[in-house]
Amino acid sequence: SAVISQKPSRDICQRGTSLTIQCQVDSQVTMMFWYRQQPGQSLTLIATANQGSEATYESGFVIDKFPISRPNLTFSTLTVSNMSPEDSSIYLCSVAVGLNSPLHFGNGTRLTVT
Amino acid sequence: GESVGLHLPTLSVQEGDNSIINCAYSNSASDYFIWYKQESGKGPQFIIDIRSNMDKRQGQRVTVLLNKTVKHLSLQIAATQPGDSAVYFCAENPPEAGGTSYGKLTFGQGTILTVHP
Repeated sequence: SAVISQKPSRDICQRGTSLTIQCQVDSQVTMMFWYRQQPGQSLTLIATANQGSEATYESGFVIDKFPISRPNLTFSTLTVSNMSPEDSSIYLCSVAVGLNSPLHFGNGTRLTVT
Repeated sequence: GESVGLHLPTLSVQEGDNSIINCAYSNSASDYFIWYKQESGKGPQFIIDIRSNMDKRQGQRVTVLLNKTVKHLSLQIAATQPGDSAVYFCAENPPEAGGTSYGKLTFGQGTILTVHP
């Protein structure tokens, strides 16, 4: 399976600021996704990161709040904009090497907003 | 939206025992299911998956059972070890009209497995 690296691994940010999270994969992957895991909760899909085009967002998530880039088949970024304490979560990058392969996750970025 | 596994149960077992973790899913049209293990401070780790045309699949020390009639998924871990202690999530891949739903997983709330030596 692909090796997924996320940066930063954790951060503490002030409300009103923005944080960009990077996801780097060691091989080209077909699909990349961003998930959120709120404290003590399960995972929720934020969006599909599309290579060379705008991301596809799930219900409840919008581009202005969570802009996403995917310039190539191995890299994506997620920005959490104008943060509030409610944005404190683990943000996880996930990838699928092929359409019939399982989804794999990075170790996530643990974000605390004060 | 629909949900999978509304509760966060806890399962405690002795080392060497077999563990069974259960999950109820709600979308009868889901055609792909995955089990993940999440250790503290890490992302979910893929354990095993199963497609809806199967009712059982075995891996190394793990077996997944799928009962589509009652929309139930279970993960069996044989000879449970302390290293198996983690939160286990089931996830389903519901279909999406008009496009591919691959990778758009709906996760259950998780089960905390604690293995005592």
